[in-house]
Amino acid sequence: AQKITQTQPGMFVQEKEAVTLDCTYDTSDPSYGLFWYKQPSSGEMIFLIYQGSYDQQNATEGRYSLNFQKARKSANLVISASQLGDSAMYFCAMREGFTGGGNKLTFGTGTQLKVEL
Amino acid sequence: GAGVSQSPSNKVTEKGKDVELRCDPISGHTALYWYRQSLGQGLEFLIYFQGNSAPDKSGLPSDRFSAERTGGSVSTLTIQRTQQEDSAVYLCASSLTSAEQYFGPGTRLTVT
Repeated sequence: AQKITQTQPGMFVQEKEAVTLDCTYDTSDPSYGLFWYKQPSSGEMIFLIYQGSYDQQNATEGRYSLNFQKARKSANLVISASQLGDSAMYFCAMREGFTGGGNKLTFGTGTQLKVEL
Repeated sequence: GAGVSQSPSNKVTEKGKDVELRCDPISGHTALYWYRQSLGQGLEFLIYFQGNSAPDKSGLPSDRFSAERTGGSVSTLTIQRTQQEDSAVYLCASSLTSAEQYFGPGTRLTVT
């Protein structure tokens, strides 16, 4: 089974609108972390937001928020007030295990977001 | 401050040659990771370093792949006898804890 599933290969959004990028995950480990990264056409992976499995509140970072629904094992990224510069590939990733263990990230297949005027 | 740097940015090599890819992590980051991004396989973990030791090498695809890290800083990923299926972007990341990992710009390897 896939550990990270991103079911939207491509998404379009109008500038200034909000968009939700879906991510579901699969783990039996009670301790895990969920990450979203942005990869523009330049290729660099840019860290956006992090949610720990024990965090009580949804993470937010500026225009990015993570809609964490633990029982449904989903960690959707919400981008508010989309900008043209948000056009990029977005990856959801998971780290399993306790912090300090130096755990690798497992990535989903990504969602290509295109922001239109 | 300076981010993760990688060199070379692009490498074209002939099948059968050896290549070395270099990663310079963020100063003070004790954890260092190598990943590979290819069209068919997406983003795959290769190896993780904590200091100079590699507790997790589970992602190295074959014994042609090896990596080392010296002085708890710079890491080198070596691919021996390169094959066309090794063509990919090799990404290095570093972290201070096991929270967010910061990625370098990658090395695009093309094996002809």
